[in-house]
Amino acid sequence: GNSVTQMEGPVTLSEEAFLTINCTYTATGYPSLFWYVQYPGEGLQLLLKATKADDKGSNKGFEATYRKETTSFHLEKGSVQVSDSAVYFCALSDTGQGAQKLVFGQGTRLTINP
Amino acid sequence: EAGVAQSPRYKIIEKRQSVAFWCNPISGHATLYWYQQILGQGPKLLIQFQNNGVVDDSQLPKDRFSAERLKGVDSTLKIQPAKLEDSAVYLCASSLYPGNEQFFGPGTRLTVL
Repeated sequence: GNSVTQMEGPVTLSEEAFLTINCTYTATGYPSLFWYVQYPGEGLQLLLKATKADDKGSNKGFEATYRKETTSFHLEKGSVQVSDSAVYFCALSDTGQGAQKLVFGQGTRLTINP
Repeated sequence: EAGVAQSPRYKIIEKRQSVAFWCNPISGHATLYWYQQILGQGPKLLIQFQNNGVVDDSQLPKDRFSAERLKGVDSTLKIQPAKLEDSAVYLCASSLYPGNEQFFGPGTRLTVL
């Protein structure tokens, strides 16, 4: 079945560092890809998405490009802030059985130190 | 616009007891999802409703879990009897229609002792 694999965490960086969180997927067909973020004490929020190959999703300084050839959707940010500390989930949309569900990776906890 | 509401936020029970969670989706959202998030893992879909009908419940342990959305608005997820491995955060999400952005509630953290 479809699946998502994220880099192992946790990840700890200093403020203004460059961030990459790796995400690869296995899927039949052409799923949409997503990054969700979960801030402490809050629910999951959609951070960005891409619906087809070579699309770039971006939001709040974060970017990810849908790479079909490498089945990847890595999350990047050029200069992280303390407020970016959260758990990040990569996900794909699975349209099996006529439904539309999200398949998530295991999450990567990011901590940014001042 | 109000977000997805869930209650309770926390619940502690002993194994073999029963428990119920409630979700009220965003007004007008036809599609409602229940996910289970075990510590250290990503959320896993348990059941998806379209209005008051079940679209996908292939990963719902039907011997102990049940869910309903009788009037196509709010929904209840029940576990009876609970097992230790049911300890998790139960997330409810809703979307205007399947394939549209899903909005998540804050979740209910269940601890089974």
